[in-house]
Amino acid sequence: SQQGEEDPQALSIQEGENATMNCSYKTSINNLQWYRQNSGRGLVHLILIRSNEREKHSGRLRVTLDTSKKSSSLLITASRAADTASYFCATEDGGATNKLIFGTGTLLAVQP
Amino acid sequence: NAGVMQNPRHLVRRRGQEARLRCSPMKGHSHVYWYRQLPEEGLKFMVYLQKENIIDESGMPKERFSAEFPKEGPSILRIQQVVRGDSAAYFCASSGTGFPDTQYFGPGTRLTVL
Repeated sequence: SQQGEEDPQALSIQEGENATMNCSYKTSINNLQWYRQNSGRGLVHLILIRSNEREKHSGRLRVTLDTSKKSSSLLITASRAADTASYFCATEDGGATNKLIFGTGTLLAVQP
Repeated sequence: NAGVMQNPRHLVRRRGQEARLRCSPMKGHSHVYWYRQLPEEGLKFMVYLQKENIIDESGMPKERFSAEFPKEGPSILRIQQVVRGDSAAYFCASSGTGFPDTQYFGPGTRLTVL
């Protein structure tokens, strides 16, 4: 299976703290994307990092990519209760279809 | 600018019935992807379509499942003779023709098979 693994499976922090989630994948990629999913809802695209990039920022989000280790991390700074959600990484396999291979997800709970 | 639309949002079927799930991509998008999410799991790719063509159906179960994206109208994911194991959330995503191009997801259809 090409599906990635995310670590930790679940994370509980206090509002204002930083949250770090990690993602590992198995094959070469064109890019890696992070999505958020609130309970019972669809996915919201957060950020895309290309295979030739090492770090990317978007607001309170910081994503790193290490293609030699086939891993990525998502850092959410100054977390808020509204950040409570599941976070998934997804890789494009570089084939002609650009289908996404999703990780298993990290469930983040931010306590007010 | 409406996003990806899916309907119905919730669908209940008895074993052996048919389920039809519809997806309207974002305006200007011609690529549609279907994914399935089982409870407590990540999304799994099912099929990728462009208008009137199935490009990649490597994630589709071999039997009972089919998908289409006609020239006019929404994309349809059809599940015949549903079984309890088909209960899941089915998400549609659409993208444009840029590379790389972000896939935008619909709210999903939650299928429950009784």
